[in-house]
Amino acid sequence: ETGVTQTPRHLVMGMTNKKSLKCEQHLGHNAMYWYKQSAKKPLELMFVYSLEERVENNSVPSRFSPECPNSSHLFLHLHTLQPEDSALYLCASSQGTVEQTQYFGPGTRLLVL
Amino acid sequence: DAKTTQPTSMDCAEGRAANLPCNHSTISGNEYVYWYRQIHSQGPQYIIHGLKNNETNEMASLIITEDRKSSTLILPHATLRDTAVYYCIVRVAGGKLIFGQGTELSVKP
Repeated sequence: ETGVTQTPRHLVMGMTNKKSLKCEQHLGHNAMYWYKQSAKKPLELMFVYSLEERVENNSVPSRFSPECPNSSHLFLHLHTLQPEDSALYLCASSQGTVEQTQYFGPGTRLLVL
Repeated sequence: DAKTTQPTSMDCAEGRAANLPCNHSTISGNEYVYWYRQIHSQGPQYIIHGLKNNETNEMASLIITEDRKSSTLILPHATLRDTAVYYCIVRVAGGKLIFGQGTELSVKP
């Protein structure tokens, strides 16, 4: 257990559905991250939040919408996804964004039909 | 792109030391070397990191060469549970973790 939890662990959705992924960290950190890991590919950084402000958006399509209501919670809202968006979505947190170790959650395995 | 080069795969006998190499010849003086591992379909797990000196914790040891162009992660007594993909990452300015393909370590009985 790393102190970072993600729900749901598995999700199947159609291309017209709207769903949300949730991440919660119990480590007292002030930075949170969303990563995407497609099959046989390295992790890709999607979004970075520091002190609840988005500080990075790595050219992610608008069908992915992050939300960080407080320093302990991070959401990824999904709408009109494509089958190629099927992947493992990972949340991480750290104490600060510079030179600090990131701790990852277990991930949400998403399948878009 | 990742600034590291790792072998694609390695095997290790259970109970023996696993030595995982990593080349990072273009590393800058203020960049750290981080190691994570990822067991199948789980989130990456932090192992260890270092700047210049060798480091040891309860999981592993990190040996960094004097010129800092390469490093080795050592798991002193590998178990079947250590089977995973191991990522060597150079922490670039601004703190981003850029993951490469890693080394797939198989620990065999």
